[in-house]
Amino acid sequence: QSVLTQPPSASGTPGLRVTISCSGSSSNIGSNTVNWYQQLPGTAPKLLIYSNNQRPSGVPDRFSGSKSGTSASLAISGLQSEDEADYYCAAWDGSLNGWVFGGGTKLTVL
Amino acid sequence: QVQLQESGPGLVKPSETLSLTCTVSGGSINGYYWSWIRQPAGKGLEWIGRIYSTGSTTYNPSLKSRVTMSVDTFKNQLSLKLSSVTAADTAVYYCARVPQGAGLNVFWFDPWGQGTLVTVSS
Repeated sequence: QSVLTQPPSASGTPGLRVTISCSGSSSNIGSNTVNWYQQLPGTAPKLLIYSNNQRPSGVPDRFSGSKSGTSASLAISGLQSEDEADYYCAAWDGSLNGWVFGGGTKLTVL
Repeated sequence: QVQLQESGPGLVKPSETLSLTCTVSGGSINGYYWSWIRQPAGKGLEWIGRIYSTGSTTYNPSLKSRVTMSVDTFKNQLSLKLSSVTAADTAVYYCARVPQGAGLNVFWFDPWGQGTLVTVSS
């Protein structure tokens, strides 16, 4: 049981837009920034979005993040087959004094 | 650019201590937090703990009694020790650098090492 809640799966067709949600509480998302990680099959996670909505150099602007209250979202527009991966949200939890992750969302590009 | 490489035994017996090393290349350990994160096969990510380059540590409360992290700034290496392991500790273990942004608790994990699989079995 993960502290942050994500849907276990999501899907979309190439070219369209998909959104992945991440729900937390006042001790994590509600009071700290959210990061998103992309894990392609058989590889290590890679930073996708940091500080709620910032993209590291090299990440396409098709990926965007947002946060409102105790929830956050990752949006992927212009879906491509290479976007098929697991996506994780993460945030610092002040009550636990540590980082917490969502359970991950497996994105399938139909 | 900074690269991280985990290393250590791939097989550990139950009740023994898991020991891993993370070697940092292309940059210095100094001035950063570093974290260990693990992932059981087919499951999600679990944060194990963090260490600052000065040696200050914060551990996941659920693992705190069994975890020890250390840093060797001369060798540019981090180490993780997890004692009294069981099959539940079987996972891929990652090390990651933890850059900090402006504001309180503004951190993220980047980059990550490729990970090393540790199996706990007799």
